[in-house]
This record gives sequence, structure tokens and C-alpha cells, in this order.
Amino acid sequence: QEQLVQSGAEPKKPGASVKVSCEASASIFTTYYIHWVRQAPGRGLEWVGTIYPTGDGPSYAQKFQGRVAMTRDTSLSTVYMDLSSLRSEDTAVYYCAAAPSGTGRFDYWGQGTLVTVSS
Amino acid sequence: QSALTQPASVSGSPGQSITISCTGTNSDVGGYNSVSWFQQHPGKVPKLIIYDVSNRPSGVPDRFSGSKSGNTASLTISGLQAEDEADYYCNSYRTSSTYVFGTGTKVTVL
Repeated sequence: QEQLVQSGAEPKKPGASVKVSCEASASIFTTYYIHWVRQAPGRGLEWVGTIYPTGDGPSYAQKFQGRVAMTRDTSLSTVYMDLSSLRSEDTAVYYCAAAPSGTGRFDYWGQGTLVTVSS
Repeated sequence: QSALTQPASVSGSPGQSITISCTGTNSDVGGYNSVSWFQQHPGKVPKLIIYDVSNRPSGVPDRFSGSKSGNTASLTISGLQAEDEADYYCNSYRTSSTYVFGTGTKVTVL
């Protein structure tokens, strides 16, 4: 069964880093690009970046360049998103989503991970 | 990097048709046939309803349709139903292997 399962909620202090994981079923992990999308409370969807789990390197939205890193662990079929220098504006639900290579067809979504940045 | 422009809200009565626009540039909507649309009910995960401008995933009713002209993509909902009340987002490929979402549209069924 194709699915994406994310790690749990993360409370963080300003200036800290957060690492969110997204475990994919085998069929997704080997053939789909994994994207990260965030949604601040009461706001719209925002594309953060993407990684191909078994091949190409990551691509990030310009806004997050230098602050985000996406990595993969093939042995665990898991993709990670690291976001550093957190500020209150980073408070959001972070989703991972899977799309076939070179498309915006986000067929599968994780359940979302709430990251709360507060002092 | 600015988001694609959508109207903040659109409303219609049951059975009517509504259209949501998504305006970008030659670097995204106008330059590629990689426009998708997502439906999101409150507190829920977004759901894909249109991909590659006008294709519907299996299970999505055919009253949802997509099109594109120049730098503007459109989502039309025909025969509006109560369960269509939700937020809708467009998404497009943008140059340099990136993607961008629209600002989002709240659809209200009167």
C-alpha cells in the first residue's frame, strides 16, 4: 500500500533546528520525487523543496536556500528535511508529498508534522 | 519568488458552475504544461484533483476540469455541490527545477 508516514510534532525555540522525517513505502521511495510543502496557521500552501530518493540531488525554493537540507536514507526508505535558524514565521504544518519524476502530480501526501517555534 | 495569483474567494449556488483562475508568468504557468490543482478541506491533507493542466486522477468526479491559456490556468467546477466547499490551490513547475503554489481560493457554496 502506497503511503507516506511522517514523524511527530516538534516544539522548538527560535534559532534551533528541526529534522522532520518521511518514511515512504518501497514503491514510492524508488520511483517518486519527494517534495516538502508547508502551511502556516490560516495560510496557504508553500513549496519548500524536493529530492529524488535514489538519484538526483535536492532542489530548494530560493526563500529557503542556505537554511534547508533534504537528505535520504535508502536503507530506511526515509527522506528527511532539516530546517535551521528557526524563527516564529516557520511555525507551520510540514507535509511531504510524492510525485512522479518531473511532474507536479503530488499523488501521495504524508499526514503532516506540526513544527511550533516559540520562546 | 512570488506565488501564483488566485482570487481570494469564489462562491456559487448548488448546481451552478464556477471558475477559479491561477495567473503566473512565462517562467511557470505559461512556459510548462505542469499545472496541478489541489482541494483542501479544513484540517485535512490537500488532495490532488487535476494534474498536467487538464487530467483528472482516478476517482475525481468529471465535474472538475482544468484548462490553460497563456499565463493563466483555470479550474472549473460544474454542478457545484455542498461538499465542494473547500480551499483550492494551483501549483506549477517553475524554471530551475522548482515549483510554486497559488495564493489559494476559498470556495463557498451558497
